Amino acid sequence: GAGVSQSPSNKVTEKGKDVELRCDPISGHTALYWYRQSLGQGLEFLIYFQGNSAPDKSGLPSDRFSAERTGGSVSTLTIQRTQQEDSAVYLCASSPPPGSHSYEQYFGPGTRLTVT
Amino acid sequence: GQQLNQSPQSMFIQEGEDVSMNCTSSSIFNTWLWYKQDPGEGPVLLIALYKAGELTSNGRLTAQFGITRKDSFLNISASIPSDVGIYFCAGRPGANNLFFGTGTRLTVIP
Repeated sequence: GAGVSQSPSNKVTEKGKDVELRCDPISGHTALYWYRQSLGQGLEFLIYFQGNSAPDKSGLPSDRFSAERTGGSVSTLTIQRTQQEDSAVYLCASSPPPGSHSYEQYFGPGTRLTVT
Repeated sequence: GQQLNQSPQSMFIQEGEDVSMNCTSSSIFNTWLWYKQDPGEGPVLLIALYKAGELTSNGRLTAQFGITRKDSFLNISASIPSDVGIYFCAGRPGANNLFFGTGTRLTVIP
């Protein structure tokens, strides 16, 4: 079946502009996660959605970052007034409903954001 | 936040050799996962471990959930060129979030 998809695959923006990154999770998955990966680094947790519960925003680095998940499916990560240090690959992952494999996260290909 | 130490940071091995890498944490984890990431791709799940002491294989890959619940290792036997990539461990301390190691970059020399 279809995996997690993300768009755009690459985004170049000027410093100070806003950007929106989109994630389509695997059909039937109830949890959705956003991570940031800087060049040569591990994954930094940003935000987590589970069903209709309030999202866990504990990883968002500043109030310029926000995310929404509409209808329990597609999610959009918005970065306002982008800064050069926001340049990274933004990865989205989804996981199955609560159960024996609900902690297994499946990743999309990522969006490479470059702020000039 | 959680401290996950993954080692080694990088490895250069000859094709056919076995590989071993590990992760240790400063606190107890309930789940350990191992991922592989190719350039320009998202991480791909290799093995998931749910119980202390659990030993699980997936083809040439074998991973174990340490008895102390603070460590895990991944072994790759008889490496081949397509094993090249970055391997990440990830642990779940109890909430739903995963904490990722910094990765082991594997290079296989034909």
